Amino acid sequence: DAKTTQPNSMESNEEEPVHLPCNHSTISGTDYIHWYRQLPSQGPEYVIHGLTSNVNNRMASLAIAEDRKSSTLILHRATLRDAAVYYCILRVPFNAGKSTFGDGTTLTVKP
Amino acid sequence: EPEVTQTPSHQVTQMGQEVILRCVPISNHLYFYWYRQILGQKVEFLVSFYNNEISEKSEIFDDQFSVERPDGSNFTLKIRSTKLEDSAMYFCASSVGALDYGYTFGSGTRLTVV
Repeated sequence: DAKTTQPNSMESNEEEPVHLPCNHSTISGTDYIHWYRQLPSQGPEYVIHGLTSNVNNRMASLAIAEDRKSSTLILHRATLRDAAVYYCILRVPFNAGKSTFGDGTTLTVKP
Repeated sequence: EPEVTQTPSHQVTQMGQEVILRCVPISNHLYFYWYRQILGQKVEFLVSFYNNEISEKSEIFDDQFSVERPDGSNFTLKIRSTKLEDSAMYFCASSVGALDYGYTFGSGTRLTVV
């Protein structure tokens, strides 16, 4: 499996930025970095993805290290609705089975 | 915003019975997937489907499982003879492309085998 390592849990205060780290030291040159989140009793939700360059969308930003061995998901202003499990996944070309969901990071947002 | 729709939301079945889980992917998506999540455990890949055939499958996806896209809109997962350990949330997902696009997941079908 294309392995990623994330902290089990993180806490944030509402309306503060949150930086969720992910290590993927065995990443290959063609692997995309994807982030999903899962709220309780819901299906995973796509957040953002990238290959080499930093990416921004309406939900978050993705900062990718120059050597691509790590990345950080940035939520600019956490809200209570951002409390979820966040998964960092390597999307391996032509091998969806290797793109596995790990344990993720459980983000708690305090009011 | 377009959604992946799954039906039913909850299905209870007796061990040994066949079940069909249904999904309507987003209309312009080309890649389709099934995942499952046993209560309290990780989301696990089952199968991917492209161009009317299975492109990849996991070890979980044995001969008891099959997928079909019968009419160009629905995408189904069939479990021929359910076991107690098949009890899980089953998520359907779809994407425009395989790598450089996010997957859109449905809200899942909770399958309970009794």
